[in-house]
Amino acid sequence: EIVLTQSPGTLSLSPGETATLSCRASQSLSSNYLAWYQQKPGQAPSLLLYGSGSRATGIPDRFSGSGSGTDFTLSISRLEPDDFAVYYCQYYGSSRPDTFGQGTKLEVQ
Amino acid sequence: QVQLQESGPRQVMPSETLSLTCSLSGGSISSGSYSWSWIRLPAGKGLEWIGRMSTSGSTNYNPSLRGRVSISIDTSKNQFSLRLSSVTAADTAVYYCARDRPPGYCSRSTCHSYYYYGMDVWGQGTTVTVSS
Repeated sequence: EIVLTQSPGTLSLSPGETATLSCRASQSLSSNYLAWYQQKPGQAPSLLLYGSGSRATGIPDRFSGSGSGTDFTLSISRLEPDDFAVYYCQYYGSSRPDTFGQGTKLEVQ
Repeated sequence: QVQLQESGPRQVMPSETLSLTCSLSGGSISSGSYSWSWIRLPAGKGLEWIGRMSTSGSTNYNPSLRGRVSISIDTSKNQFSLRLSSVTAADTAVYYCARDRPPGYCSRSTCHSYYYYGMDVWGQGTTVTVSS
């Protein structure tokens, strides 16, 4: 079973800065099958990126994703107050189970 | 605009079966070839994938739920359901339903094969507590 490990667990930054979030897989993955979500307190998750780096509808280009093999990254530039939330990576397992990372909390410094 | 809404008991007794329904509005569950998924968020923890079902009837479940889980679709009611049997306190969580777009999903006569396109529509979530 694939395990996704996100780091750091908590990231403290200020508005205007750039956030870099990591998602590391226990084995090599297809980047086509990796998605990122944002979840704010009391709300459902919302889709940010799919296929590792393609933005979902309505997502600004401040959000970008990259990676291959076992290492994937979500970058958020010019942080805005609304960006402070928990971020999850997810791998689509196809005929095998999906898996989520444990999440990275992005908080205001 | 497609919207999802979870419904079901907010409290379930230990060892009993948790049953939730996700109702779709603003569209038809049989329109296109999406999959329909359940995810949960235990308090203080991260998201946990429960499983998905396609409109063709194929299912895929989290093996950690050890055969306790089943997902079904009722196209006549435009809804899909989750059943989780033999629940314990560890099953206490916020449960979400979501529309899922696996590789090969089709929408409006266009099929998308290259990526996993993610879960793009979510219900607001419902809290289920397992307690006597």
